[in-house]
Amino acid sequence: SAVISQKPSRDICQRGTSLTIQCQVDSQVTMMFWYRQQPGQSLTLIATANQGSEATYESGFVIDKFPISRPNLTFSTLTVSNMSPEDSSIYLCSVRQGFHEQYFGPGTRLTVT
Amino acid sequence: GQSLEQPSEVTAVEGAIVQINCTYQTSGFYGLSWYQQHDGGAPTFLSYNALDGLEETGRFSSFLSRSDSYGYLLLQELQMKDSASYFCAVNGNRDDKIIFGKGTRLHILP
Repeated sequence: SAVISQKPSRDICQRGTSLTIQCQVDSQVTMMFWYRQQPGQSLTLIATANQGSEATYESGFVIDKFPISRPNLTFSTLTVSNMSPEDSSIYLCSVRQGFHEQYFGPGTRLTVT
Repeated sequence: GQSLEQPSEVTAVEGAIVQINCTYQTSGFYGLSWYQQHDGGAPTFLSYNALDGLEETGRFSSFLSRSDSYGYLLLQELQMKDSASYFCAVNGNRDDKIIFGKGTRLHILP
């Protein structure tokens, strides 16, 4: 199974600033996903980031607000831009191995003040 | 579109058996997965069903009925460490994104 690390593990940011979250995988993977999760809630898919193509965003999420980079098969970044308190959440990186198993990073807990 | 329904909470006694149901509505269906998430932790993969029937992995089993758009996760010999949230998830085709249900919080009483 893939081992995924994320940086930072948590951060407190001011309104209007941006934060870039890094996701590193210990093996090469094609399919990578970014999710958002409020405590006690379900996982909401932000975007799919496959290497070699533009990220595909879900309804309600736009590239200007959540730009994603995927420079190679083991790394990706998600930027949360122009943050507001509504962006306070846990952001999770996930990768697909095989046809259906997904593995998740430990998450980045973001608080916007 | 895709939607999944599962109970928000279930309570069971240590040592007992509990079943968590999931019904889904999808435009396409490739498989049903189950994930476990402890408080403060990341979701971890438990099981996957693409075909009708029961898949068993230790104390955990998962069932799928494609004709009924229904599945369940069965946990046997419950232990306190099984207290967690359980999510069912579907993908519409092999290379498609996985959509998660809202999760079922499992409370285990001693």
